[in-house]
Amino acid sequence: NAGVTQTPKFQVLKTGQSMTLQCAQDMNHEYMSWYRQDPGMGLRLIHYSVGAGITDQGEVPNGYNVSRSTTEDFPLRLLSAAPSQTSVYFCASSHTGRWETQYFGPGTRLLVL
Amino acid sequence: AQKVTQAQTEISVVEKEDVTLDCVYETRDTTYYLFWYKQPPSGELVFLIRRNSFDEQNEISGRYSWNFQKSTSSFNFTITASQVVDSAVYFCALSEAGEYGNKLVFGAGTILRVKS
Repeated sequence: NAGVTQTPKFQVLKTGQSMTLQCAQDMNHEYMSWYRQDPGMGLRLIHYSVGAGITDQGEVPNGYNVSRSTTEDFPLRLLSAAPSQTSVYFCASSHTGRWETQYFGPGTRLLVL
Repeated sequence: AQKVTQAQTEISVVEKEDVTLDCVYETRDTTYYLFWYKQPPSGELVFLIRRNSFDEQNEISGRYSWNFQKSTSSFNFTITASQVVDSAVYFCALSEAGEYGNKLVFGAGTILRVKS
């Protein structure tokens, strides 16, 4: 198993550009989530999903869209990037999302100029 | 709302010293889970331990041990005989029930520097 994979590893955007961060898992996990990590603030939940077609907001959802059409993939979309979205983004997954350990992907470092 | 506080922003120790990383949490839930993750300089997040709110037994895994005290809402992490490879950022996290599934609430992290 490859576990949780994320692409790209690093991306530079200009303000106002859009892009999609990709996340995939091959463990047949129902639960997937996106976090952002900023210095001194730990990780904060952006959105999560408990299965195809079911998503919910986390602590910092503004500026981000998600959808879940397959069990394997959970892309994160930035519709109009802003410098405040400069961060490291982590995707995570777990079997069902009920009290289970979440396993994280390697992260995507995003710089918005 | 749930909250996790890691009051120690950065700790520096010399190799072979013991070090304790503090974690204090706030929750109104009676059922919850606590986690510790390690983030080495390479950047990935490595799961260390998961503990549920009904199990207050201390846990030991090699040089690592965890002390869970519900009375003080603390879940502290001790590394015995620290090594340079222990240098990392350590995060404590609390599982919070969301509408469809659980959400992790993280502390700000503690940077541990172990010097040789």
